[in-house]
Amino acid sequence: DSGVTQTPKHLITATGQRVTLRCSPRSGDLSVYWYQQSLDQGLQFLIQYYNGEERAKGNILERFSAQQFPDLHSELNLSSLELGDSALYFCASSVDPGQINEQFFGPGTRLTVL
Amino acid sequence: AQSVTQLDSQVPVFEEAPVELRCNYSSSVSVYLFWYVQYPNQGLQLLLKYLSGSTLVKGINGFEAEFNKSQTSFHLRKPSVHISDTAEYFCAVSDFGAGNQFYFGTGTSLTVIP
Repeated sequence: DSGVTQTPKHLITATGQRVTLRCSPRSGDLSVYWYQQSLDQGLQFLIQYYNGEERAKGNILERFSAQQFPDLHSELNLSSLELGDSALYFCASSVDPGQINEQFFGPGTRLTVL
Repeated sequence: AQSVTQLDSQVPVFEEAPVELRCNYSSSVSVYLFWYVQYPNQGLQLLLKYLSGSTLVKGINGFEAEFNKSQTSFHLRKPSVHISDTAEYFCAVSDFGAGNQFYFGTGTSLTVIP
């Protein structure tokens, strides 16, 4: 158990819908990262937050957005869903992005868009 | 941005045989290297990391990796595999660019055959 929690575990929805994925980092970790894992593209970095502020952006679509709240949990919002958004979405956390640290991964949310 | 190449997408190996999973990265500047393992239906778990110091790094579950700067490689090895090592293995690199951002390879699926 990494200490990172993600909810829900599974999500099934229809095209055009909007969903919210939630992540709680390990106690003491200030930085949260979101990744998308799909069969054809591997593990893709989406976005990073540190202590409530966006720190780095990767291959995140404009239909996707995220935020980190004062209690440090983070939410990833996916809107106007398409079939190709079906994937595993991982959240990871680390102590301090000011130095190189191990990222601890949550169990993931499996999103299926029908 | 960094890129990571895992040359073998699938590696079948017999139980108790040695295995090497290959990883090459793109940059010649200072990098920090990681190997993660993903068991079926689980998140990623850190196997080992290279930040500095000895180029031979030992990790959990009997795995080790060697950092080779001249060849920009960080291959993962285990002298004798077990059935329980069947999993997906990911190599990752961070160059301390945008706050501990990791770049992942596409993964190598290791299957241990009894």
